[in-house]
Amino acid sequence: GNSVTQMEGPVTLSEEAFLTINCTYTATGYPSLFWYVQYPGEGLQLLLKATKADDKGSNKGFEATYRKETTSFHLEKGSVQVSDSAVYFCAPRGNQGGKLIFGQGTELSVKP
Amino acid sequence: DGGITQSPKYLFRKEGQNVTLSCEQNLNHDAMYWYRQDPGQGLRLIYYSQIVNDFQKGDIAEGYSVSREKKESFPLTVTSAQKNPTAFYLCASSKQGKVSTDTQYFGPGTRLTVL
Repeated sequence: GNSVTQMEGPVTLSEEAFLTINCTYTATGYPSLFWYVQYPGEGLQLLLKATKADDKGSNKGFEATYRKETTSFHLEKGSVQVSDSAVYFCAPRGNQGGKLIFGQGTELSVKP
Repeated sequence: DGGITQSPKYLFRKEGQNVTLSCEQNLNHDAMYWYRQDPGQGLRLIYYSQIVNDFQKGDIAEGYSVSREKKESFPLTVTSAQKNPTAFYLCASSKQGKVSTDTQYFGPGTRLTVL
């Protein structure tokens, strides 16, 4: 079945540092790939998505590229801010409308 | 404003009681979903509905029930049969349930605590 593996947290960075959160997945066919962000005590917000190979999703300075050859969708940001502190979830979704598959999430803490 | 509302934000229940969590959306989405989140873990799918008057079990449906009588509403009942109901419950919706590119949008969640 489909699955996802995310980099374990917590990840602690200083403000303006470079961020990478690794995500690899297993899925049949050509899944769509999503990154969601969850701030403390809140629901999930869509951060970005990519729906086919080599697509790059981007939003609020975050980027992720759909790499079919390595089945990866790593999240990057060039300069993190304290306000980026949250839990990040990578979630593939199988073709034909399969369910979203969530990993355990990666907690990011950015210190001033 | 369009969006998904969940109520209440916090809910306390005594053991042996059923409780119903509300989820309403005004996005005109066909599909709706219920997830459960436990501390430090990802989300697990409880039930989903791709169209009115139809719903399917997810990965952890035991001890839960749902109904989908209206397009905008998808209430979840946590029954006394659910052995460990204390968790954060998230409702989501998407425009079309069967399209993989379709984005799921989430509500703010309900935190259920069993006393």
